[in-house]
Amino acid sequence: EPEVTQTPSHQVTQMGQEVILRCVPISNHLYFYWYRQILGQKVEFLVSFYNNEISEKSEIFDDQFSVERPDGSNFTLKIRSTKLEDSAMYFCASLTGPMNTGELFFGEGSRLTVL
Amino acid sequence: QKEVEQNSGPLSVPEGAIASLNCTYSDRGSQSFFWYRQYSGKSPELIMSIYSNGDKEDGRFTAQLNKASQYVSLLIRDSQPSDSATYLCAVNMMDSSYKLIFGSGTRLLVRP
Repeated sequence: EPEVTQTPSHQVTQMGQEVILRCVPISNHLYFYWYRQILGQKVEFLVSFYNNEISEKSEIFDDQFSVERPDGSNFTLKIRSTKLEDSAMYFCASLTGPMNTGELFFGEGSRLTVL
Repeated sequence: QKEVEQNSGPLSVPEGAIASLNCTYSDRGSQSFFWYRQYSGKSPELIMSIYSNGDKEDGRFTAQLNKASQYVSLLIRDSQPSDSATYLCAVNMMDSSYKLIFGSGTRLLVRP
């Protein structure tokens, strides 16, 4: 069964360092997302991406965050200068079905710990 | 602000009982409603989607939607200890793009 894959599963970094989280969405999906979940809190929308550009971003997704799809398969989330409060699980998701009623399928997540 | 509300629980039920999980949402324009299951430390796993008023059954799971009341529920029949998890309600929001907004989840504990 096709799945969304994410790497790394866990990354520990020092505050101020750059981090890149990688995702390989399901191959025939066209609409991609990043969500994050701080420990004990809700799953929060960060950004949606379609046709090689950002469709929508949340207030959380400030100038420290960026996304790109550099090679047609990988979908990356970059945090330029990490802060302690960026510690969270980051989930990549891709959309199946119509673009107004489709279902999101999530990867296993990347746990980011900022020290 | 568009919200999805759930009781955080925990909801504790004995094995074999029916577990009833509830969710309300604020955006009347929402068209798509989902239930995800999330085990501790794991990613959300889609278990049900529902788009029309009424009931939708899939195995031991039944999703119920009432758009007039802006209410979605999930019933789990014959609850098993393996059903113990956090259940997330997610609702689509059509702002500038299609996305899902999640509730904070209800923790379900099924006692053997």
